[in-house]
Amino acid sequence: AQKITQTQPGMFVQEKEAVTLDCTYDTSDPSYGLFWYKQPSSGEMIFLIYQGSYDQQNATEGRYSLNFQKARKSANLVISASQLGDSAMYFCAMRGQTGNQFYFGTGTSLTVIP
Amino acid sequence: NAGVTQTPKFQVLKTGQSMTLQCAQDMNHNSMYWYRQDPGMGLRLIYYSASEGTTDKGEVPNGYNVSRLNKREFSLRLESAAPSQTSVYFCASSSGQGVDEQYFGPGTRLTVT
Repeated sequence: AQKITQTQPGMFVQEKEAVTLDCTYDTSDPSYGLFWYKQPSSGEMIFLIYQGSYDQQNATEGRYSLNFQKARKSANLVISASQLGDSAMYFCAMRGQTGNQFYFGTGTSLTVIP
Repeated sequence: NAGVTQTPKFQVLKTGQSMTLQCAQDMNHNSMYWYRQDPGMGLRLIYYSASEGTTDKGEVPNGYNVSRLNKREFSLRLESAAPSQTSVYFCASSSGQGVDEQYFGPGTRLTVT
């Protein structure tokens, strides 16, 4: 069975500091994709970053990077130099080998403190 | 480019009533999805459509039906609404190729009393 686990319901970070949001996954598919989405209080879902299971390097997109540890089945999101606008819910998601089934974690609420 | 649009934004139904949530995308995407989001549960896939003319069940399909009307439009129907279907519903689309990230609509907040 496919499963995504986010164990941090809420996190706080000081502005300009870095923060790591944890995500572990469970799958038996040899090929899969891992995604992070941001959901601000306004409600929309915004795609942040993607890591393929066969990608050799960790993905980076601006201030976002993905710490991918395949053997541990973890795909943690690192946000560097936090900004007040980073305050939001963050969801980790996985797409399995079949390609159309996406599985989301329960999310982590991040609050950036000025 | 409007991206993914959903109507309505808000809806209140009485138990047993029916309604259809509409979704359209203008990105020429092959795949479309319906999710529900409940507090503490994340997003759960209701139905998806990998291409025009095909639909498949997701994790929580009971009580819902879908129609992929054409490549642009994917509707979700509640035939007999129940209070357990009170939720925020999101439609999403993706190209079906490459990274295949999903683009989400703004959501519909549905309350069933």
